[in-house]
Amino acid sequence: ALTQPRSVSGSPGQSVTISCTGTSSDVGGYTFVSWYQQHPGKAPRLIIHDVDRRPSGVPDRFSASRSVNTASLTISGLQAEDEADYYCCSYAGTYTWVFGTGTKVTVV
Amino acid sequence: EMQLVQSGAEVKKPGESLKISCKGSGYTFTNYWIGWVRQMPGKGLEWMGIIYPRDSDTRYSPSFQGQVTISADNSITTAYLQWTSLKASDTAMYFCVRGGVAGIDSWGQGALVTVSS
Repeated sequence: ALTQPRSVSGSPGQSVTISCTGTSSDVGGYTFVSWYQQHPGKAPRLIIHDVDRRPSGVPDRFSASRSVNTASLTISGLQAEDEADYYCCSYAGTYTWVFGTGTKVTVV
Repeated sequence: EMQLVQSGAEVKKPGESLKISCKGSGYTFTNYWIGWVRQMPGKGLEWMGIIYPRDSDTRYSPSFQGQVTISADNSITTAYLQWTSLKASDTAMYFCVRGGVAGIDSWGQGALVTVSS
């Protein structure tokens, strides 16, 4: 699994950044890195694809980037509704995908 | 509107078999792959495997190879995840997902499988 911090927190209006560390065989080797938001009891929802692309309907306070083998998701202007679990996901070759360990974002 | 609709919750005993389904609608079923993702209670997401409905090519994560079978019936635009002998450790939420070149873009609502004697 890709490594993510277990939890991050911030106050409303602040920014938080979640890291997702892999290897050159996954995060660093392909542009197919995505991020998902999961609220309790719900299915995950795509919020970033292709490293830094936002699907339509996803607020622009969600942004992402990648440096070598680490991808990052930043939530700017944190809102109460952003409190959720976040997972990164990367293609790992040979038709396989790998998820991150997940990060719980708390809005304090 | 594109949808993935999964079959309902199941309660099974250890050793029993099970097949859960995922019906795709609102898109051309054979143009995208279908994958399955496990989420054990209170835990993270785990990639199980993938099927390309166009040619039924199927690949499994090493952790799930030999433990489950993924299949699809294009005539009814439905994918399946199957166990021949369930274990208590198979208790989890199972999500089907749709994907393309860039990865997963849609999720089913999930199916809770509970295995208990």
